Amino acid sequence: DTEVTQTPKHLVMGMTNKKSLKCEQHMGHRAMYWYKQKAKKPPELMFVYSYEKLSINESVPSRFSPECPNSSLLNLHLHALQPEDSALYLCASSQERGRQFFGPGTRLTVL
Amino acid sequence: AQSVTQPDIHITVSEGASLELRCNYSYGATPYLFWYVQSPGQGLQLLLKYFSGDTLVQGIKGFEAEFKRSQSSFNLRKPSVHWSDAAEYFCAVGPVNFGNEKLTFGTGTRLTIIP
Repeated sequence: DTEVTQTPKHLVMGMTNKKSLKCEQHMGHRAMYWYKQKAKKPPELMFVYSYEKLSINESVPSRFSPECPNSSLLNLHLHALQPEDSALYLCASSQERGRQFFGPGTRLTVL
Repeated sequence: AQSVTQPDIHITVSEGASLELRCNYSYGATPYLFWYVQSPGQGLQLLLKYFSGDTLVQGIKGFEAEFKRSQSSFNLRKPSVHWSDAAEYFCAVGPVNFGNEKLTFGTGTRLTIIP
């Protein structure tokens, strides 16, 4: 299994909702990443987990809350988002330097 | 601070023609350089990477890139493009410490292939 899966593929939520994005990999990778990508823009790093510990937080607003329950799973909990948070959220994993495997992303729309 | 410039927002190439996508970087130390490709609505796929050694790097799908330190460039090339190469291409630079990787991506070049 050489893929990163993300659920859901699409998510529409209101500004008062609480939702979660899920990312899973079964490649034994010990580093996992969340990126945000706005339309026609490059991905921007949000968080990095290494060996299930948060190693990088790129000053992301607290309405985004990451969680790494185990080495295969990465969640992104969303609460009180703003319309400008609408974007494609990409998850990636890696086990060797400089080789990140990306999932297909979750397209999030905040109304 | 590290940065990447991709001067070409959009390139159109005929199928079977050669391709070169430009990438210039700014990085304080020895750079680690990458090219990723993103098909519409999909995640990114690594085409190739450069850490050190031979400055001509071979990647997947017939792509190659050449690192030129004097020009701070890492241009991507392919001798003959296929319609399936139509996608968005991102050059990236960053430190590569496992579990602490912070890649900076360029703004991307959209490649269109015409028959």
